[in-house]
Amino acid sequence: EVQLVESGGGLVQPGRSLRLSCATSGFIFDDYGLHWVRQAPGKGLEWVSGISWNGGSVDYVDSVKGRFTISRDRAKNSLYLQMDSLRGDDTALYYCVKGLTYSLSSWFDHWGQGTLVTVSS
Amino acid sequence: ETVLTQSPATLSLSPGERATLSCRASQSVSTYLAWYQHKPGQAPRLVIYDASNRASGIPVRFSGSGSGTDFTLTISSLEPEDFAVYYCQQRGNWPLLTFGGGTKVEIK
Repeated sequence: EVQLVESGGGLVQPGRSLRLSCATSGFIFDDYGLHWVRQAPGKGLEWVSGISWNGGSVDYVDSVKGRFTISRDRAKNSLYLQMDSLRGDDTALYYCVKGLTYSLSSWFDHWGQGTLVTVSS
Repeated sequence: ETVLTQSPATLSLSPGERATLSCRASQSVSTYLAWYQHKPGQAPRLVIYDASNRASGIPVRFSGSGSGTDFTLTISSLEPEDFAVYYCQQRGNWPLLTFGGGTKVEIK
C-alpha cells in the first residue's frame, strides 16, 4: 500500500523558515516524480513544486521561486520542502503527492493527508 | 499561462441524477487534462487522467471527454459518496501544473 506521511508543519512568523518532510513507502521510490500541492483555507488546490525521479529536474510555481527548495533522499525514501522567507499567503495545508510517472510533468495518483502551515505574527 | 475555468461553481443534484462538469482551458492542452475528487478532511483522489482514462479503482459511472480547450466530467448516476468538490488539472503548459477553481457537487 502506498503511503505518504507529511510532517513539519506548524505556526511560524512571517519571514522565518520551515522544513516539511514526507516519508514514503509502498512503491519504488526511485521510479516516480514527487510533488507538493497546497490548499489555502477556503481555496482550491495549487501545485507548489515538483521533482523528477532522480532529482535532475525541479520546478516551482512562480510565487515561491527563490524562497522554496524541493529535494528528495533515496536513502530515506523521503521528500522535503525547505520554505524560507515565509509570507502570510503561504498559509495552507501542504500535501505530499506521488506522480503517476517518473517525470516532472505528471498526474497525481497518491496523496498524503497534509500538514498545516500557518504563517502569522 | 494556461488558466483552467470550471463551471458551474456549484451543482445541486439528487442521488441518481446525471452530473455534467465543465473545464475550459485558456489555450489548448491537447488531452493533458485530469480530474480529481476532493472530500472534506480527505486527500484528493485521481478520477480521470489524459482526459478520458479512468484511474485505478474508479467506478464506470465516471467518464471524461474532450480535447484542446473544452473538457467534461460526467457522472452518469450520482451515488451518495460522489458528492464532493471536483478539480480539473492540466500538465505541460506553463505554469507547469495548474488546477481549475473547482466545482462543488452538492446534494439537492
